[in-house]
Amino acid sequence: EAQVTQNPRYLITVTGKKLTVTCSQNMNHEYMSWYRQDPGLGLRQIYYSMNVEVTDKGDVPEGYKVSRKEKRNFPLILESPSPNQTSLYFCASSYRGLNYPQHFGDGTRLSIL
Amino acid sequence: EDKVVQSPLSLVVHEGDTVTLNCSYEVTNFRSLLWYKQEKKAPTFLFMLTSSGIEKKSGRLSSILDKKELFSILNITATQTGDSAVYLCAVEARDAGNMLTFGGGTRLMVKP
Repeated sequence: EAQVTQNPRYLITVTGKKLTVTCSQNMNHEYMSWYRQDPGLGLRQIYYSMNVEVTDKGDVPEGYKVSRKEKRNFPLILESPSPNQTSLYFCASSYRGLNYPQHFGDGTRLSIL
Repeated sequence: EDKVVQSPLSLVVHEGDTVTLNCSYEVTNFRSLLWYKQEKKAPTFLFMLTSSGIEKKSGRLSSILDKKELFSILNITATQTGDSAVYLCAVEARDAGNMLTFGGGTRLMVKP
């Protein structure tokens, strides 16, 4: 089944403790992206990647890192999480850029205490 | 700064009603507008619009874009309880690289 898989689905952690949210897609898509969704603010793009080893900042990249060493994986890294990064995070992928619809993962709810 | 505004913020209707959701945008060098439906989890793709005046249709859902007045509408006819969701509009601008700007969404509740 074609899908975007995020892990973990839920995480409660403390300020400053490094964490990684994994994202994997099995559709051989070139484009992958991370969003955060906050009440009243909609979905905001954190980072995106057009292909392997190519990543670019989105609207709200501060406090996040990403890597794209393989086509299928696009992990989101929070080196030193802070409470303002408490949010619902979505990973998405598309065949090739935004001319193609994005497929979203089921989301990861992060709470940083 | 690119801006996408959706209205209404929320809407409650009864089954069988027809609803119209609005999305207006201000972007430089518009490329495309997308509609997504978000139920409990992941947004799912509905439509991508690039040309003015051409209606896209999928079952009871349809959407149209007006590039002169900078807005799009999403129509749902004969609504069902399964249409209850948050509907998201997003715009891609040529100058924004490969990024989407999302609106805040419209929450639709369809009562039996």
